[in-house]
Amino acid sequence: GAVVSQHPSWVICKSGTSVKIECRSLDFQATTMFWYRQFPKQSLMLMATSNEGSKATYEQGVEKDKFLINHASLTLSTLTVTSAHPEDSSFYICSRGGLEETQYFGPGTRLLVL
Amino acid sequence: SQQGEEDPQALSIQEGENATMNCSYKTSINNLQWYRQNSGRGLVHLILIRSNEREKHSGRLRVTLDTSKKSSSLLITASRAADTASYFCATDRGSTLGRLYFGRGTQLTVWP
Repeated sequence: GAVVSQHPSWVICKSGTSVKIECRSLDFQATTMFWYRQFPKQSLMLMATSNEGSKATYEQGVEKDKFLINHASLTLSTLTVTSAHPEDSSFYICSRGGLEETQYFGPGTRLLVL
Repeated sequence: SQQGEEDPQALSIQEGENATMNCSYKTSINNLQWYRQNSGRGLVHLILIRSNEREKHSGRLRVTLDTSKKSSSLLITASRAADTASYFCATDRGSTLGRLYFGRGTQLTVWP
């Protein structure tokens, strides 16, 4: 069964609003989780590393004030897209570590900003 | 930025045929992984090959790694319609922190 869940699975919002996406590790405590975004028919781009109890580490070019990440517990990381605009419309996927250096991915959250 | 390129970007074959996808990368790595993504869904791990390995098998999957050429290939033998998906390679860029950097992916379509 799934070991990583995301909520919501899809969301539509108006431009200028903020949207929060949750990522839960269902069977294992995760001190580190990861957030990716994927545009249609494109690859996954790593956005940031979510660290439990400390600040997230963002990849170069990702606006940390735009994409707020909070990892308040060992099973939950949240990504908040602040003041969302149509160009933020994308598929957001989280992951956590698995066996060896593999990753378990969540089912993704599709965001559409109107 | 993306780590590398997959070739081909799209592949269409008949059931029973073999599918070969290639991946190139640019940096040093500890390992390279292949993932599968069904349309609009999350990713599923397929196979991991370490930098000191040259070939690895898992069921109908065969992965090769050539670190001198910074390239890898994924072979799916005796393909099935259920293999239709996007396939991505991912590397760690030499980090052990769990971050993955993905290639562009190959969209595989297997016709019954």
